[in-house]
Amino acid sequence: DIVMTQSPDSLAVSLGERATINCKSSQSVLYSSNNKNYLAWYQQKPGQPPKLLIYWASTRESGVPDRFSGSGSGTDFTLTIGSLQAEDVAVYYCQQYYSTPLTFGPGTKVDIK
Amino acid sequence: EVQLVESGGGLVQPGGSLRLSCAASGFTFSSYWMHWVRQAPGKGLVWVSRINSDSDGSYTSYAASVKGRFTISRDNAKNTLYLQMNSLRAEDTAVYYCAGSSGHNWFDPWGQGTLVTVSS
Repeated sequence: DIVMTQSPDSLAVSLGERATINCKSSQSVLYSSNNKNYLAWYQQKPGQPPKLLIYWASTRESGVPDRFSGSGSGTDFTLTIGSLQAEDVAVYYCQQYYSTPLTFGPGTKVDIK
Repeated sequence: EVQLVESGGGLVQPGGSLRLSCAASGFTFSSYWMHWVRQAPGKGLVWVSRINSDSDGSYTSYAASVKGRFTISRDNAKNTLYLQMNSLRAEDTAVYYCAGSSGHNWFDPWGQGTLVTVSS
């Protein structure tokens, strides 16, 4: 199984400042035949289901604000919130879809400082 | 509007059974791979099971923790996904979400979830 880890567990950022979340996979999720990273990011607010933000490690889902961006390749990935807004308070999860079982990171809680 | 609505959750004793349903609307259900993902209270997300679309052979897969106890199925005529859960354990207590994926295994859309509590 591919184990996903995230850091930090939580972070508090001032409004308008940048938030950076890291995700690491226990093995590469880069598929060589198409040069795509099988990595997605989700946002989950309290009492709500997760919401897809990014897939292919860096492709923003339709309707997601452009302050959210994803980067990385192979085993190391980053989700960046360029200018934190109050509505971005949530838990963020990475997920690999390279192989089953599909696995998520443990989540990173983002709060306002 | 794309919508997934789960039902069937509730309180069940250890060793008991429960069947969850997920009604889909607003998209071509039959062409989506469908999943169940669960979240224990205060914990993270855990993938449970997947069923491919009919065009991909209705192939199923399961997490090791539920294999042999849970069965995923779908009825494309009713636009409904199911999860039959047998031999339930306390550790199966969670909100169960159904989610779709269109060809690749990222999850979108998601339902609102249904709570399953296994307790005596």
